[in-house]
Amino acid sequence: GAVVSQHPSRVICKSGTSVKIECRSLDFQATTMFWYRQFPKQSLMLMATSNEGSKATYEQGVEKDKFLINHASLTLSTLTVTSAHPEDSSFYICSASESDSPLHFGNGTRLTVT
Amino acid sequence: QKEVEQDPGPLSVPEGAIVSLNCTYSNSAFQYFMWYRQYSRKGPELLMYTYSSGNKEDGRFTAQVDKSSKYISLFIRDSQPSDSATYLCAMSQISGGSNYKLTFGKGTLLTVNP
Repeated sequence: GAVVSQHPSRVICKSGTSVKIECRSLDFQATTMFWYRQFPKQSLMLMATSNEGSKATYEQGVEKDKFLINHASLTLSTLTVTSAHPEDSSFYICSASESDSPLHFGNGTRLTVT
Repeated sequence: QKEVEQDPGPLSVPEGAIVSLNCTYSNSAFQYFMWYRQYSRKGPELLMYTYSSGNKEDGRFTAQVDKSSKYISLFIRDSQPSDSATYLCAMSQISGGSNYKLTFGKGTLLTVNP
């Protein structure tokens, strides 16, 4: 149980374009999902908390207008990187938990902005 | 001082060796402790989850928590080349809900040589 699916696994886009990443909980409902970012050889850093039916909560230093989060259903959250720049190139990972169980992570999306 | 300290390694061992991975933490409010395994270019996979001091065993893996010393460990017995990955410790103050925030160590890169 507790499978989290993320799509796409890899995306290359040009500077200035927007990219949408999807995160789905496949076998459970998740009122809350979390988006992390991981730079090479670094640990995971929480970007924002996605709440179903309400606004996302962003961590300090994360631009909410740049990283748009939508949690339209209990099984789907999306992260849109708007007007992407090369410095946004990173590994983006979503996670969710069922009830009080530990977090399970998707397989991540490697974003490369050229 | 960082909240969670983890030696990044790299750690290289021969097949069959016992591996010991460790993390220390400074925030005594952490109550839930996890170990994740992350293969290259993949999302973290939950290995062990515990919330009490002492040992928890699952197959070849043993998680140890010492809250009085703020120290957690993961032991891998009879290590295999397939265990080669980055191991991340993570901890949180609560379990579940929209305030469920994990604080990660930097990860230890482990290589098990055949």
